Amino acid sequence: QKEVEQDPGPLSVPEGAIVSLNCTYSNSAFQYFMWYRQYSRKGPELLMYTYSSGNKEDGRFTAQVDKSSKYISLFIRDSQPSDSATYLCATRPRPGNTPLVFGKGTRLSVIA
Amino acid sequence: DAGITQSPRHKVTETGTPVTLRCHQTENHRYMYWYRQDPGHGLRLIHYSYGVKDTDKGEVSDGYSVSRSKTEDFLLTLESATSSQTSVYFCAISADLNQPQHFGDGTRLSIL
Repeated sequence: QKEVEQDPGPLSVPEGAIVSLNCTYSNSAFQYFMWYRQYSRKGPELLMYTYSSGNKEDGRFTAQVDKSSKYISLFIRDSQPSDSATYLCATRPRPGNTPLVFGKGTRLSVIA
Repeated sequence: DAGITQSPRHKVTETGTPVTLRCHQTENHRYMYWYRQDPGHGLRLIHYSYGVKDTDKGEVSDGYSVSRSKTEDFLLTLESATSSQTSVYFCAISADLNQPQHFGDGTRLSIL
């Protein structure tokens, strides 16, 4: 089993829809969780960062962590065509010297 | 945007030739990373550095070497390039392992 699993999609939704992107992880020691957005031909950019269970909100984006289920989610409200990108989840354990482990990414298209 | 510059941005070369990619940062971050990104594999860590002259291997380090003689520069070398090393290479930086990584815009390397 891979340490971080992410459905690659592609996922296509109409403009204005609520989008749910998900990852599962296998190591209960993972405590830092991040979501990155990657536009075509660009590097990943950090969207959300949390190290606790529960929800963290930033504008239209909400990151949710359920450590009991080892499940992390990113919700996008009122999705826009500009949200069309690949979304990658990432996590790492604490304590430890292990760098981030990334999911393979989910490609999202928001259709106007 | 984090001050990360990758050079060159694009390179085409032949099998068996040496190739060096450069990552330069202006953030004075301790950690620097090299990843490759391929369809179906996501981001895979090649090597990372936790200080000048301090480096460690990642998931896919075979065929690659790195050097860091200054805080701001991290070099990735393919001693004898092979077609399997055709990929997009990303550099990332972070202040420490518990902080999010910030990425450059990548180098597209084609080995013919």
